[in-house]
Amino acid sequence: DSGVTQTPKHLITATGQRVTLRCSPRSGDLSVYWYQQSLDQGLQFLIQYYNGEERAKGNILERFSAQQFPDLHSELNLSSLELGDSALYFCASSVELGGGGETQYFGPGTRLLVL
Amino acid sequence: QQQVKQSPQSLIVQKGGISIINCAYENTAFDYFPWYQQFPGKGPALLIAIRPDVSEKKEGRFTISFNKSAKQFSLHIMDSQPGDSATYFCAASMRSSYKLIFGSGTRLLVRP
Repeated sequence: DSGVTQTPKHLITATGQRVTLRCSPRSGDLSVYWYQQSLDQGLQFLIQYYNGEERAKGNILERFSAQQFPDLHSELNLSSLELGDSALYFCASSVELGGGGETQYFGPGTRLLVL
Repeated sequence: QQQVKQSPQSLIVQKGGISIINCAYENTAFDYFPWYQQFPGKGPALLIAIRPDVSEKKEGRFTISFNKSAKQFSLHIMDSQPGDSATYFCAASMRSSYKLIFGSGTRLLVRP
């Protein structure tokens, strides 16, 4: 158990809908990262927050957004969902900014299925 | 240039054998190379990591070999066990960025 929690574990929804994925980092970790894992794209970095502020952005679609709250939990919002958004979404956390090769601890993921 | 290429896609090894997974990168700014292990239904977990100032790092049965000039690194699993059956990802990152760039993954099956 990494100490990172994600809810829900599974999510089934329809095209065009909006969903929110939630992540609680390990106690004391200030950085939260979101990754998408799909069969054709592998593990792709989406976005990183550090202590409430956005720090880095990857290949995140404009339909997706995220935020980190004062209690350090984070939410990833996916809107206008398409079939191709079906994937595993992972949250990871680390103590600091992570630029120095810091270990990222991954949660168990949320499996999203868009029908 | 941001890619990390990983091979093979899948690997079958007999118990007690050596499993070898290879990765190659282009961006010489990468300075941190971790390997992650992922079991079905779980998130990736850090297995072992290396920086380019050393050519080899060993932790138990797991060894990373790093060839800076060839821009390649590999994971060796000695005395492979059925419990090692999982998907392995190599990754890379650099100090100026906080994201991990992952390879495409290798599905390892260790037969009893």
